[in-house]
Amino acid sequence: DTVLTQSPALAVSPGERVTISCRASESVSTGIHWYQQKPGQQPKLLIYGASNLKSGVPARFSGSGSGTDFTLTIDPVEADDTATYFCQQSWNDPLTFGSGTKLEIK
Amino acid sequence: QVQLKESGPGLVQPSRTLSLTCTVSGFSLTSYAISWVRQPPGKGLEWIAAIWSGGSTDYNSALKSRLSISRDTSKNQVLLKMNSLQTEDTAMYFCARSEDYGGSDYWGQGVMVTVSS
Repeated sequence: DTVLTQSPALAVSPGERVTISCRASESVSTGIHWYQQKPGQQPKLLIYGASNLKSGVPARFSGSGSGTDFTLTIDPVEADDTATYFCQQSWNDPLTFGSGTKLEIK
Repeated sequence: QVQLKESGPGLVQPSRTLSLTCTVSGFSLTSYAISWVRQPPGKGLEWIAAIWSGGSTDYNSALKSRLSISRDTSKNQVLLKMNSLQTEDTAMYFCARSEDYGGSDYWGQGVMVTVSS
């Protein structure tokens, strides 16, 4: 199975730029999607196909990468962005999620 | 509008079989895939299974022997069955819609399943 590795936690101040990484154990082309999840809520799709912004998601969010290394960027960060961010790959069967990066806004 | 709603028993005894239903509206199951994803309390997301728009299925490798996913397009429902439940299967179970092999753009609210005697 494709393993997706994310750093466990980050802390940034409002107005800063933050990058959240996701590294795949094998190539997933651009089959990476990013989700935001706040406590007690279902995940929310932010980016699909590595770099495509879902309609309605603020342009402060962007995604990049292909192959095995991917990045979700939030610029500038706002207080409401406090959440856990998960990457998911859908290129290889079975589908898999990363373990999530908990983002704290100082 | 697009909606998904999970239903099922809140409490299941160990070794029993879990049956969950995802009832959808606002789109056709023959045009979109439905995945099941679970999340143990305080932990991350785990993809469990999917039924694609054409009706084919895929399963989590570690759970494959215990799982079955199917759909009833006349009822707009997707059914997930998991047998031989253990306490580690305690989790919130979500169903989610996607284009085949795309990101899941709509999610249900989830149903909490507790495995306990």
